Amino acid sequence: EAGVVQSPRYKIIEKKQPVAFWCNPISGHNTLYWYLQNLGQGPELLIRYENEEAVDDSQLPKDRFSAERLKGVDSTLKIQPAELGDSAVYLCASSRDGNTEAFFGQGTRLTVV
Amino acid sequence: GENVEQHPSTLSVQEGDSAVIKCTYSDSASNYFPWYKQELGKGPQLIIDIRSNVGEKKDQRIAVTLNKTAKHFSLHITETQPEDSAVYFCAASNGQGAQKLVFGQGTRLTINP
Repeated sequence: EAGVVQSPRYKIIEKKQPVAFWCNPISGHNTLYWYLQNLGQGPELLIRYENEEAVDDSQLPKDRFSAERLKGVDSTLKIQPAELGDSAVYLCASSRDGNTEAFFGQGTRLTVV
Repeated sequence: GENVEQHPSTLSVQEGDSAVIKCTYSDSASNYFPWYKQELGKGPQLIIDIRSNVGEKKDQRIAVTLNKTAKHFSLHITETQPEDSAVYFCAASNGQGAQKLVFGQGTRLTINP
């Protein structure tokens, strides 16, 4: 069974430019999470989806960040415009539902210059 | 909200010895406690989890203990091997599963041959 797939693995952009990350969860997993991991720290939840509904986006900086999961499977996370402080690893995770364990993808390392 | 403290931040042990990592949490409603292992350049990998109706859980060389009264839980790795070297994260959730995970700051474990 394939795990959580994220792309791209690495992204370097100039500040003020837009960037998007893509995530394909484990087949059959209804819950999808986006996490932010700063260097040397634990992951922090940005948004959680139950199917196509964003049920917890309280930690998502909505002035520049947006996310979607239109058909309840794949998801994209967008930043526009990017700032230097957005440099981090963006992790996607999925679980069968919110009451089960979560499995992470390899992450996208974003560098804003 | 939930706050998870993890100690130590770095741990170095001789191959074959045991390693113990400890976490405390603040929300008495938390009832799901997973541990993740993160190798360089990879996403966090779930290695063991425990729910609040259990005091201890073991899987081969890895065990987790939970003290709900004191609000702390620990990861024990016995007979350590070089491939155990990684960053380990504890997390706590007040949902039945991963829906509201709050992570600790991580412990960098180094196994010396």
